[in-house]
Amino acid sequence: AQSVTQLDSHVSVSEGTPVLLRCNYSSSYSPSLFWYVQHPNKGLQLLLKYTSAATLVKGINGFEAEFKKSETSFHLTKPSAHMSDAAEYFCVVSSNTGNQFYFGTGTSLTVIP
Amino acid sequence: NAGVTQTPKFQVLKTGQSMTLQCAQDMNHNSMYWYRQDPGMGLRLIYYSASEGTTDKGEVPNGYNVSRLNKREFSLRLESAAPSQTSVYFCAILQGGPDTQYFGPGTRLTVL
Repeated sequence: AQSVTQLDSHVSVSEGTPVLLRCNYSSSYSPSLFWYVQHPNKGLQLLLKYTSAATLVKGINGFEAEFKKSETSFHLTKPSAHMSDAAEYFCVVSSNTGNQFYFGTGTSLTVIP
Repeated sequence: NAGVTQTPKFQVLKTGQSMTLQCAQDMNHNSMYWYRQDPGMGLRLIYYSASEGTTDKGEVPNGYNVSRLNKREFSLRLESAAPSQTSVYFCAILQGGPDTQYFGPGTRLTVL
């Protein structure tokens, strides 16, 4: 069975400092992995995805994530936080058939001015 | 959210009332999904449809029914709403190459 654990429910950073949102997955196959962002009272927007190509994946708005198979991790990073990054972030893993998806419980990012 | 629409955006029901949430896509994709989002629980799959005329249960199907009568539309019905169904409901489609989900804007449902 596949599952996703987001290690922090809340992360708070100062504007201009690095962001690290942690995600570990469990899977018996090589999954596809995704990060989505949800701004307050909005829908979900795809930030980036890993699909067995390059292990370092670049997404929108300066975010990137590195797939580490040995650590079963897919952490999301950004070098310098911006106020507009304040949102909820979800890590997602695909099923082995690729047609179902399992969400983490989310990490709420606060950016302090 | 371009290409996936949901109606209504907001709804308040009394316990025991019924309603249907509508989802439509204009991108001609086969797979469509219904999720609910509750605080601290991420998104949980209610039902999905791999193609027109087929539906399958997800993680939390109890209290819901779905209908996929054509490729474009996937509806979610609450026959007798309960307060535990207060949630935000998202519809999604699956776009291939590689398979990635794209979400509608959501429906915020409150059951009193």
